[in-house]
Amino acid sequence: QVQLVESGGGVVQPGRSLRLSCAASGFTFSNYPIHWVRQAPGKGLEWVAVISYDGSQKYYADSVKGRFTISRDNSKNTLYLQMNSLRPEDTAMYYCARDPIWGQGTLVTVSS
Amino acid sequence: DIQMTQSPSSLSASVRDRVSITCRASQNISNFVNWYQQRPGKAPNLLIYGASSLQSGVPSRFSGSGSETDFTLTITSLQPEDFATYYCQQSYNYPLTFGGGTKVEIK
Repeated sequence: QVQLVESGGGVVQPGRSLRLSCAASGFTFSNYPIHWVRQAPGKGLEWVAVISYDGSQKYYADSVKGRFTISRDNSKNTLYLQMNSLRPEDTAMYYCARDPIWGQGTLVTVSS
Repeated sequence: DIQMTQSPSSLSASVRDRVSITCRASQNISNFVNWYQQRPGKAPNLLIYGASSLQSGVPSRFSGSGSETDFTLTITSLQPEDFATYYCQQSYNYPLTFGGGTKVEIK
């Protein structure tokens, strides 16, 4: 069926790095731009980044620009989010999304 | 960046009530607004795109209206499964931005 499945979340210390993955199935992944959206515990939704269908264009929220990198491997139907220099305020559930399809999310906790 | 101001932040309503949630954009965004429903512990679910187009599979009691800077999500005849948090989002340009959310609670 049509789905997105995130993985790679966990607990990490401030200043460290983490890479999230989002595996797509049930649709032609290489035809669509895909987004990362996050939600801090008990807070609202925050858009993080988007990558074009072929990976040639990328846009980021100011809060992550220069620290996070979005990428994709269309041969593997997989989206990535490389997160460097992590801060406590990056603690959130991270969703990949291609409307109307959203993954179930992967939780990132930045704490010493 | 485009700011999306959503109101109210919460409301209490009864089953079968009519509910309206508004979103104001900080600039003209034509009809580039989406509305999402999020139930606790779940991913957001797209309800309305392009300000007024109903996403496939979404009940017809949900509707969207508005253009330029002022937008409204209306739920006619609120059902028990509609008690959730609702978000507007502008898709006019990057960075995409969401409203702060409206929590719809049972009265």
